[in-house]
Amino acid sequence: DTGVSQNPRHKITKRGQNVTFRCDPISEHNRLYWYRQTLGQGPEFLTYFQNEAQLEKSRLLSDRFSAERPKGSFSTLEIQRTEQGDSAMYLCASSLARTDTQYFGPGTRLTVL
Amino acid sequence: DQQVKQNSPSLSVQEGRISILNCDYTNSMFDYFLWYKKYPAEGPTFLISISSIKDKNEDGRFTVFLNKSAKHLSLHIVPSQPGDSAVYFCAASVYGNKLVFGAGTILRVKS
Repeated sequence: DTGVSQNPRHKITKRGQNVTFRCDPISEHNRLYWYRQTLGQGPEFLTYFQNEAQLEKSRLLSDRFSAERPKGSFSTLEIQRTEQGDSAMYLCASSLARTDTQYFGPGTRLTVL
Repeated sequence: DQQVKQNSPSLSVQEGRISILNCDYTNSMFDYFLWYKKYPAEGPTFLISISSIKDKNEDGRFTVFLNKSAKHLSLHIVPSQPGDSAVYFCAASVYGNKLVFGAGTILRVKS
């Protein structure tokens, strides 16, 4: 298995622009999670999917953030009208089932200028 | 409200000795605990986990201990190797749902 992949690995954007990140989970993993990590902190939960259904969203996920998993495979996370406070590492993880270990991708580093 | 705390920001250990990383939690509903290791510019890598029905789990050089009454868990690495130098995160979940992470502990293993 190739593991969780994320693209792009790095994204630099100007404040106010929209950005979209992609996550490809381990094949056959039906759970997919998004986390955000800022410097000196541990990852913080944003949202997760069971197949194509988005089952929970954190209050950290403002209206500018939207996530999709249209066919229950890959997922996208879009941030509209980016702000400097959105600068962080965005991590994706997947698991085979609810009680299984979550495996993380390499992350997408977002820098908002 | 920090439900998972790693109170030691960093730890320095001599190669070959034991590394002990600690983690405290406040939510008594947590029933699954994990340790992840992270290198710069990479995602967290799963190391070892433990269910709340156990008090110890071993995997090679790594052992995790869980003390439910104290709401405390620890990761022991024996013997420590220079390649173990990384940031270690403790995480917890309720019934396998979203993970709640601590802030991490930087481990430096000196050769």
